[in-house]
Amino acid sequence: GEDVEQSLFLSVREGDSSVINCTYTDSSSTYLYWYKQEPGAGLQLLTYIFSNMDMKQDQRLTVLLNKKDKHLSLRIADTQTGDSAIYFCAEMGRSQGNLIFGKGTKLSVKP
Amino acid sequence: EADIYQTPRYLVIGTGKKITLECSQTMGHDKMYWYQQDPGMELHLIHYSYGVNSTEKGDLSSESTVSRIRTEHFPLTLESARPSHTSQYLCASGLGQTNEKLFFGSGTQLSVL
Repeated sequence: GEDVEQSLFLSVREGDSSVINCTYTDSSSTYLYWYKQEPGAGLQLLTYIFSNMDMKQDQRLTVLLNKKDKHLSLRIADTQTGDSAIYFCAEMGRSQGNLIFGKGTKLSVKP
Repeated sequence: EADIYQTPRYLVIGTGKKITLECSQTMGHDKMYWYQQDPGMELHLIHYSYGVNSTEKGDLSSESTVSRIRTEHFPLTLESARPSHTSQYLCASGLGQTNEKLFFGSGTQLSVL
């Protein structure tokens, strides 16, 4: 079945780059997403990438997509303490058109 | 800023009580969702709706029920709450398109004693 995997924790120092990785199983996924959840809040769409793209950049965020390996990554440049949150990778599921979310990666940024 | 609202924000109730969690959106989105979120972060889809009078069960079996009488409103009801229902409940909405961008409410943290 469709599945999305990500590592659960990442800790970085302020000013460093963060790279959050994700693997997915459905090779027919058309769109892949990154959502951010701050403490006590709902999820917020950060960025998404269409499956025919390899890379998408949006200010400090860079998304890389390797379709062959079904690997998606989110790079945050110059990570700030305000970037501390849980980051969810998601793909569009085929069957009911619902998003399939990973378990989330908790990013901790140390000053 | 997302125009999707959940009430109450926090709820502490005793076992056996009936409760309704409210979710409303003003964006005219057809598709709406309820997710249950573990303390360990994982999201579980429990209900969704394609539009008015449509309700579907999600991937995780839930004792809750939902209704969709109006486009903007998607309440979730627990007829008899139990401690195992203690969780964060997140409501979301989207246009139901191929590129489905979801907007989430702030969630309801439910504690059943």
